[in-house]
Amino acid sequence: KAGVTQTPRYLIKTRGQQVTLSCSPISGHRSVSWYQQTPGQGLQFLFEYFSETQRNKGNFPGRFSGRQFSNSRSEMNVSTLELGDSALYLCASSLGGGRNTEAFFGQGTRLTVV
Amino acid sequence: GDSVTQMEGPVTLSEEAFLTINCTYTATGYPSLFWYVQYPGEGLQLLLKATKADDKGSNKGFEATYRKETTSFHLEKGSVQVSDSAVYFCALSDTNSGNTPLVFGKGTRLSVIA
Repeated sequence: KAGVTQTPRYLIKTRGQQVTLSCSPISGHRSVSWYQQTPGQGLQFLFEYFSETQRNKGNFPGRFSGRQFSNSRSEMNVSTLELGDSALYLCASSLGGGRNTEAFFGQGTRLTVV
Repeated sequence: GDSVTQMEGPVTLSEEAFLTINCTYTATGYPSLFWYVQYPGEGLQLLLKATKADDKGSNKGFEATYRKETTSFHLEKGSVQVSDSAVYFCALSDTNSGNTPLVFGKGTRLSVIA
């Protein structure tokens, strides 16, 4: 069974640009969550999608957005990049509910903004 | 809101030493508790979990007990190996409030030397 796949693994962008990151969940998983990991702030929740609908949202500015497709693949977009957006972006997939639902993480996309 | 506090480290141990990483939590509901591990250059892997008070999660020689009275979920291992060197994250999900996202501690870096 294939795991969670995130592409690309590494990205370098310039301030002011926009970027799109992709996440393919485990087959059969309908929930995809995104997290930002930085040395200073640790792991912070961005948003969660379930069956193409945003179900939860963290405290990030509107420059951060996402979507989920009918095959459960998800993308997140960051517009008008800032230096502080440099981070490891992690995607996690799960079946989508209940106390025993386990989240499986991808290897992440490391974004560097210069 | 919900939060997780864990010892920040880094923790450096000799091979075969005993490991304890402390984790305490604050939650309004009745959360599920998790320990995740992150190896260099990788995403997060679920190490163990517990979903109710007095449950003991265990995996690969690691264990942690859900203590509701002390709101704690300390990670222990009797004899660490060099291959256990990684960053360990304590996390909770307050599933009584619906499908809430994972809330992570800051992470504890463990280095095991031969």
